[in-house]
Parts: sequence; structure tokens; C-alpha cells
Amino acid sequence: SQTIHQWPATLVQPVGSPLSLECTVEGTSNPNLYWYRQAAGRGLQLLFYSVGIGQISSEVPQNLSASRPQDRQFILSSKKLLLSDSGFYLCAWMGGRVDHEQFFGPGTRLTVL
Amino acid sequence: AQKITQTQPGMFVQEKEAVTLDCTYDTSDPSYGLFWYKQPSSGEMIFLIYQGSYDQQNATEGRYSLNFQKARKSANLVISASQLGDSAMYFCAMREKSDNFNKFYFGSGTKLNVKP
Repeated sequence: SQTIHQWPATLVQPVGSPLSLECTVEGTSNPNLYWYRQAAGRGLQLLFYSVGIGQISSEVPQNLSASRPQDRQFILSSKKLLLSDSGFYLCAWMGGRVDHEQFFGPGTRLTVL
Repeated sequence: AQKITQTQPGMFVQEKEAVTLDCTYDTSDPSYGLFWYKQPSSGEMIFLIYQGSYDQQNATEGRYSLNFQKARKSANLVISASQLGDSAMYFCAMREKSDNFNKFYFGSGTKLNVKP
């Protein structure tokens, strides 16, 4: 069965520090991968998506970047965090028993101070 | 324009009663999909139910049903016989193809509180 991992689970970082969040998927190959951010009490905002290694599309301009160095690895990064980068970050992949269903990872809660 | 609109920030329902969570959507893609997810306080996103744009029947999954009104672009979630464990945030989402890629858009959510 397919599994999606995210780490770390929680992170507290100072403003201006770098960021690296990792997402890995098991049990599938060539998945479509997504990064979302959820601000407190809000819905999910699509940040990046990827159809394959090295192929990244950005949905909104921002302080973040994404990379896909391996088929089942998706990384979210920043060189200098802003206060507004705080939120809950969810990685997802598409597939499953329901046509075009998304499966989500457990998420990373990021607090920028 | 908003792709997904959920107009109820919060809802209360008595245990064992039914509740309807509203969702409207906007898309020009003729082949789209509609989803409902539950997010408890732990943060995980739990898939509940799916409706394809060409599906003739309303989707049902146990106590969940989706009231799909295509002409109105409405996809309301109905939870029957509410349980205390149903208290959570509920998100409506839509999948559409854009630039030959499946993108997902989420509403702002409805916080459901089930009262004993």
C-alpha cells in the first residue's frame, strides 16, 4: 500500500533562517506531488505541484521554492523565512481507489518567530 | 472568482441528527471532480466522498452523501445521524485540469460541532 511521510512534524524557526521540509512517498511510482499551506483556521492553498523529477510548477509567487530530486521525494525550501510563512504544510500525491483522489501526508506545523 | 465557496464558517448539530454543509464551485472544465475531506484537530486530511462531474447519481459513503446539483454548481455534504466524533473541520475541494495537470482547489472550510 502507498504511504506518504513528512518531516519534521513540527518546527519553530526564527525569521530569516532557511527552511527545508521533506516529503517522501512509498508504494507508487511517478506520482503527481503537491505542496499545500494551510494558515490557521483557513483552507488549503496550493503552493507547488510536480509531474516528475525536476519538474516543478509554482501556483503562487512567494518566498518558497520546491524541488524534486528523486521520483518519490518532494522538498519545500526557503532561503530566508518570513513571519507570514508560518502555517501547516501538507504534502499530497494523486492516485488511489477513487479517480484522481489525493492522499495527504501528516503535515508539518511551522512557526516562524 | 473563487473556485470553491463554503459560506458556513461554523455549524452546530445535535448528536444523532442530520446536518448539511454547503459548497458551491466554479469551473469551465467539463470533466471535474468534487471531494469532501474531514480534518480533525490532529491536522490529518481524511477523504470522505467523491463526485465526478459526469456521475448521474449522488455519491454516498456510509453516513455521508453528496447532494450534487450540477446546474447550480452545488455539492453539499450531508452527514446523517451525527456522532460526537464528527466534530471537525470539513473542506470541500474540486479537481480540474489546468495546463494538462490536475489541480485541486479547497474551500475555506466549515467547523462542525456535534453537541451531546
